[in-house]
Amino acid sequence: QIQLVQSGPELKKPGESVKISCKASGYTFTDYAMHWVKQVPGKGLKWMGWINTYTGKPTYADDFKGRFVFSLEASASTANLQISNLKNEDTANVFCAREQPGGFAYWGQGTLVTVSS
Amino acid sequence: DIQMTQSPASLSASLGETVTIECLASEDIYSNLAWYQQKPGKSPQLLIYDASSLQDGVPSRFSGSESGTQYSLEINSLQSEDAATYFCQQHHDYPPTFGSGTKLEIK
Repeated sequence: QIQLVQSGPELKKPGESVKISCKASGYTFTDYAMHWVKQVPGKGLKWMGWINTYTGKPTYADDFKGRFVFSLEASASTANLQISNLKNEDTANVFCAREQPGGFAYWGQGTLVTVSS
Repeated sequence: DIQMTQSPASLSASLGETVTIECLASEDIYSNLAWYQQKPGKSPQLLIYDASSLQDGVPSRFSGSESGTQYSLEINSLQSEDAATYFCQQHHDYPPTFGSGTKLEIK
């Protein structure tokens, strides 16, 4: 069955960096784009951007340009998100999500990133 | 960006009742609308895509409809496991945008 398994929770200080992984299984990784979605605890969902898993080309939403980098380890069917120069407002649950025509049909379990001094 | 205005923010209903959640798009999104259910501590689950198509495995008591730029999610015969937060999401144009969510409580 199709699964997206994300790396575990992270506790970081402001200014540090974090790398979150999303390992896909159960389908051909390069056939579907991978998206990233942010959710502040108790709040709504915000789309961060996506990466073309065939070409490796990333696309970032306006609010996530500069400190955010999407990358791939295609041989390992893994998508990564790196956030540098962390700020308190980066505290959130971050999800990877695989699209299908019409919506995001598969989601990772979420990675909680906590930024606190 | 396309704005999705979702209502109500919360509602409470009894077992067996029918509830409706609505999303108003700021412009025509041509039925490119999905509905998700999210339970506490879990990731969102796709319920409805393309405004009215039921995702595989989702109970038939969930249904979606549209009227112009207004989209609705109806849940019939409420069950206890339907307690969750529901989000709409448009995918007509980038960036994909979500409604603010509706928290459903089962009395």
